Amino acid sequence: NAGVTQTPKFQVLKTGQSMTLQCAQDMNHEYMSWYRQDPGMGLRLIHYSVGAGITDQGEVPNGYNVSRSTTEDFPLRLLSAAPSQTSVYFCASRHETGAGEQYFGPGTRLTVT
Amino acid sequence: GDSVTQMEGPVTLSEEAFLTINCTYTATGYPSLFWYVQYPGEGLQLLLKATKADDKGSNKGFEATYRKETTSFHLEKGSVQVSDSAVYFCALSPRTYTQGGSEKLVFGKGTKLTVNP
Repeated sequence: NAGVTQTPKFQVLKTGQSMTLQCAQDMNHEYMSWYRQDPGMGLRLIHYSVGAGITDQGEVPNGYNVSRSTTEDFPLRLLSAAPSQTSVYFCASRHETGAGEQYFGPGTRLTVT
Repeated sequence: GDSVTQMEGPVTLSEEAFLTINCTYTATGYPSLFWYVQYPGEGLQLLLKATKADDKGSNKGFEATYRKETTSFHLEKGSVQVSDSAVYFCALSPRTYTQGGSEKLVFGKGTKLTVNP
């Protein structure tokens, strides 16, 4: 099992550009989530999905879109990048049963200039 | 709302020293509690977990006990190694008695640990 994979590992964007961060998992997990990590802020939930075709907003959803067409994939789209979106982005997944532990990908470090 | 507070770092210790990282939480219901570890340049790895009061989670010499009366989940290790240098996050998954884990994790801000030889 590869677990949770993310691409790209690093990305630099100019303000106003759009891009998609890719996330895939091979554990057949129903739940998938996107978090951003900023210094001194811990991790904050952007969007999540409880299954294919179902998504919802987390704490900081503005400026981001998601969709879930398959169980395996959960891409995160930045519609018009802003410097405030400079961050490290983590995708995570978990099984619907269990204690709620989530399994994280290696992250994408995004810089918006 | 639900929240996690953990001691601010950075924490610097010598090899073989005793480690404690304090974590307290605020939550309704019966949250599950976790410690995650993040090594430089990597994602978060689940270190240990506990799902009910008085449960002790343990892994790789680390331990934490779910204390409902003090709403705490302090991380301890008896003898740290240089390889334990990382950032440690305390987290909870909101949960009611009749439900499994929530769709989200609530994280503390992280504590950076540096262990010197």
